[in-house]
Amino acid sequence: ETGVTQTPRHLVMGMTNKKSLKCEQHLGHNAMYWYKQSAKKPLELMFVYSLEERVENNSVPSRFSPECPNSSHLFLHLHTLQPEDSALYLCASSQERASGHGYTFGSGTRLTVV
Amino acid sequence: DAKTTQPPSMDCAEGRAANLPCNHSTISGNEYVYWYRQIHSQGPQYIIHGLKNNETNEMASLIITEDRKSSTLILPHATLRDTAVYYCIVRAAYNTDKLIFGTGTRLQVFP
Repeated sequence: ETGVTQTPRHLVMGMTNKKSLKCEQHLGHNAMYWYKQSAKKPLELMFVYSLEERVENNSVPSRFSPECPNSSHLFLHLHTLQPEDSALYLCASSQERASGHGYTFGSGTRLTVV
Repeated sequence: DAKTTQPPSMDCAEGRAANLPCNHSTISGNEYVYWYRQIHSQGPQYIIHGLKNNETNEMASLIITEDRKSSTLILPHATLRDTAVYYCIVRAAYNTDKLIFGTGTRLQVFP
């Protein structure tokens, strides 16, 4: 266990469904991130939250909607996805403005869009 | 954009040292070198980081050249469980730099 927990581990959804991915950290970190990893591609940073405020949105389509209700929880709401959105979605957290180990990642949610 | 260059793949015999190189010729004075690894279908895992001095922890050693333009991650006694993709990343530690991943080196440890 890394201290960052993602649920569910696997998700299959149709293109018309609405689902949410959940991330929870109990490390006392103040920044959280969503990454996407498609097959045989590097990790792509999607969203950055610092102190519960979204500070970055890397040109992510609006069918992905993040939510950070508090510093311990991060959600990624999904709706009307496309098959090419199938990927491993990873959540990470960090303590900004502090040195150390950098980011702590969860184990990811493997999403399949059918 | 990733600021590092790594070989796409390497092999290592179990029990031997694995030496993974990384070039970062444009590294700035306030940027650290971080190493992460990603075992298949899991999240990346922090290994080690350093600024200019060599570093060692329970997982690995990090050797940084004097001009800081390259570094080597050393796994002293590789095991099959060390098979993973290893990422070398440069970023400033004391700010909000994002962690940007490149393609990394796929290390295959064989029996």
